[in-house]
Amino acid sequence: EIVLTQSPGTLSLSPGERATLSCRASQSVSSSYLAWYQQKPGQAPRLLIYGASSRATGIPDRFSGSGSGTDFTLTISRLEPEDFAVYYCQQYGSSPTFGQGTKVEIK
Amino acid sequence: QITLKESGPTLVKPTQTLTLTCTFSGFSLSTSGVGVGWIRQPPGKALEWLALIYWDDDKRYSPSLKSRLTITKDTSKNQVVLTMTNMDPVDTATYYCALPLRGGAFDYWGQGTLVTVSS
Repeated sequence: EIVLTQSPGTLSLSPGERATLSCRASQSVSSSYLAWYQQKPGQAPRLLIYGASSRATGIPDRFSGSGSGTDFTLTISRLEPEDFAVYYCQQYGSSPTFGQGTKVEIK
Repeated sequence: QITLKESGPTLVKPTQTLTLTCTFSGFSLSTSGVGVGWIRQPPGKALEWLALIYWDDDKRYSPSLKSRLTITKDTSKNQVVLTMTNMDPVDTATYYCALPLRGGAFDYWGQGTLVTVSS
């Protein structure tokens, strides 16, 4: 089973700042089968990025994903008030797993 | 329009079997390549993938829970059913069903259903 470790656990930033979230895999993620989700309290997760770097439908271009192999990054170029949430990475190989999440909170 | 909705008991007793149903619309589980998955999330904790079933009845399970899970589909009813045996309080969670489209990333999610395990 591939273990995903996200860092940091919490990111305290102000609106307008840049957020950089990390997701490290215990072994190589095949074909960049890596996704990122945003989750707000009381809501289901929302797919942001798939294939490590492709934005899902309707996702603003301030969200971008990069990386390959075992190291992946989600970048939010300029934080909007609605971006403060918890973010999860997921690898979707034969046995999908999720990271433990990074909370982006208002500083 | 694609929608998914979970249904089932909100409270189960320890050792009981949980049966959850995902009823969906806007797609067919008889279409090549289509699958439906289950994911859960204990209160305040991270997401955990449980199981997936595909149009050809291929089934995948979380290795850590495989012995307790069964996933089935009823294509005519547009439903996927997940059963989990021997429920324990640590299984208290919101259970989601979701549709993976882009190679396995979950594009569409149900609203989730909170299941509490308590005597």
